[in-house]
Order: sequence, then structure tokens, then C-alpha cells
Amino acid sequence: DQQVKQNSPSLSVQEGRISILNCDYTNSMFDYFLWYKKYPAEGPTFLISISSIKDKNEDGRFTVFLNKSAKHLSLHIVPSQPGDSAVYFCAASNQAGTALIFGKGTTLSVSS
Amino acid sequence: ETGVTQSPTHLIKTRGQQVTLRCSSQSGHNTVSWYQQALGQGPQFIFQYYREEENGRGNFPPRFSGLQFPNYSSELNVNALELDDSALYLCASSLKLASGGYSTDTQYFGPGTRLTVL
Repeated sequence: DQQVKQNSPSLSVQEGRISILNCDYTNSMFDYFLWYKKYPAEGPTFLISISSIKDKNEDGRFTVFLNKSAKHLSLHIVPSQPGDSAVYFCAASNQAGTALIFGKGTTLSVSS
Repeated sequence: ETGVTQSPTHLIKTRGQQVTLRCSSQSGHNTVSWYQQALGQGPQFIFQYYREEENGRGNFPPRFSGLQFPNYSSELNVNALELDDSALYLCASSLKLASGGYSTDTQYFGPGTRLTVL
């Protein structure tokens, strides 16, 4: 039973446009959420995080939005660049710093 | 500041054998977590070590065991290997605050060890 779901296996976007990656969770005890990016043959790279006391966190081109009532978060990348092409994983934990529960990932392809 | 490193990069074993994977934490980090990533899946939590003691375990059998050393490096040992153990094994290090309270320590991952069991 998946507690963190990324329902879109893939997403294609043109360079310069916005990429929106979505993530849903079922466990209301989750209080810390992260996005990781993964290139082939590398480990996941931390992108951005958000705690449940916030509904938005911004870092350069990356913004994460959290809607606790809908148990939904999204990652916005603006503007998208070809180097952003990778697999993006959403992860959650119910006590910061312990087990991260990951979604299955969304493969983002940004074309020039 | 050095990042998380793992060795070996790739490993091939046969069913029933035992394997040891190694992880060196990022400088200044005191916590290490291990994950298994099967093909097409997200990483799955195996266990976490904090100050050399196990600090949480996922749904993995006892043949998966670990160690954390005083320098915060870590090992993952898997006994009696099965074909389904073939996966990418990731370790992640973080800094857990000893004072308690709310802590948002982010986990930083190494490049992984690709284990193939034949």
C-alpha cells in the first residue's frame, strides 16, 4: 500500500516553460516533505524541502507547494531547462530525520 | 566538505552468498540511513543508524544487518542472498540534533552500489 504516490510516470515540457510535478500522500502523520532529482548511475540529489507548518517554499527556479487538507504537494520548475531532465522523487517522513518514504518517481524530459 | 561515498560501485554475487557494502558519510554528519531501490521503484528504507545504534528499521528481514563506526562510516551486510536482492543500494547521511525538538535534517545520498544476484 503506497503511502506516497506520484501518479504521472513521465512528463514532457519545452525549454523555458513551467514543469509541474505532483505528489499525493495518504499518511496524515507526515510532517516533512522533500523532492530529490536523480540522474542515471547517480544517487538522488536533494532539491528542496518543506515542513508541514508551511504551504510554500522557494529556492531559485524551484518552488514546492503543500496542501495539507488535500494531502498533496507539487514541485514547480520555472523556467525549465534541458539539464532538468531527470527522474524526480517525492519523499515524506513523519519524524524529520528518520525513514523517508518515497514515491515511484516521475521522469521529466525538457526539450530545447 | 566531502560528500557521501559508497563502495563498491558494482557487485555480482550468487544466491546464498553474503555481501558487505560500505558507506562513508558526509563530513560532519552523525546519522546514516540505507535504502534499497529496485528497478522502476522509489528507494525503500532498510534501516538507520545514529551514534552507532540502530534508530529505526523498515520492512526488511533480519538477514539485512548494519553497523555504524565511531567515524560515522557504515556497512550494510546481507546474508543468504536471494535473486530479489538485486537492486541499487543507497546510503544517505544526515546530521541529527542531539537536543531533541523539531529537526529538519535532510538526508544526502551517495551514488549507490549496484548489486546483482545470479
